[in-house]
Amino acid sequence: KAGVTQTPRYLIKTRGQQVTLSCSPISGHRSVSWYQQTPGQGLQFLFEYFSETQRNKGNFPGRFSGRQFSNSRSEMNVSTLELGDSALYLCASSSPVAKSSYNEQFFGPGTRLTVL
Amino acid sequence: GQNIDQPTEMTATEGAIVQINCTYQTSGFNGLFWYQQHAGEAPTFLSYNVLDGLEEKGRFSSFLSRSKGYSYLLLKELQMKDSASYLCAVRNDYKLSFGAGTTVTVRA
Repeated sequence: KAGVTQTPRYLIKTRGQQVTLSCSPISGHRSVSWYQQTPGQGLQFLFEYFSETQRNKGNFPGRFSGRQFSNSRSEMNVSTLELGDSALYLCASSSPVAKSSYNEQFFGPGTRLTVL
Repeated sequence: GQNIDQPTEMTATEGAIVQINCTYQTSGFNGLFWYQQHAGEAPTFLSYNVLDGLEEKGRFSSFLSRSKGYSYLLLKELQMKDSASYLCAVRNDYKLSFGAGTTVTVRA
C-alpha cells in the first residue's frame, strides 16, 4: 500500500509570494490533516479535512488555507509569504469516522518551505 | 487552550530503560498518541492510549492517567536506532495537539 505523498518536497519562495502544497493520502483514507513544524514551535496543527469539509482549524492566520478534493487529495495554500512561514509542512492521513475512534495518523515526508 | 509538556532532552545508555513523561492540560480529550521522529523524517506512530492503564508493544510501553493528565512512554532495551525525538500528542475532536518533543540520545 503506497504511503502518504507530498509534493513538492522542497520549495524556495520570496516574501510576498504565495505557495500551494499538495498531499495525496493513503488509498481509502478520507481524513487529511496539515501541520507546520518549526524548531521553535514544534508540530502545530493547521487544519483537518474529511470528505471535502474542513472539520477543525488551528490558530493560524487567514493566509493559510486548504481544500480537499473528491478523491481525498488535499492542497494547502499560503498567501503573502513571510519569513516566519519557513518550516516543514507535514500532511497526515487517517480513516476515522467517529471523534472517539482510534485513528492512527500516517504522515507524509513533508514539504520543506524556505522563504527568503 | 492546549498545554502539553515533556522534557526537552534525555540521554541513556544502550540496553538501558528510559521513561519519557508527558503532562497535558487540554480543553478536551479523545486519546493520547506517542510518535517517534528521526531527524529529517516524518513522525511514525508508536502507541495510542484512550483509557487509563498500560499499553505494551514490544520494547515500547505507554501509560495513561486521565485524572492526572499524565502519560509516559517507556523504552526498554535501548538500541542506537532509538535515538530520535519522541512526540506526545493529545487528540481533541479531530485535532492533534503535539508537545514540543523529547530528544533521546542513546550512547554506546
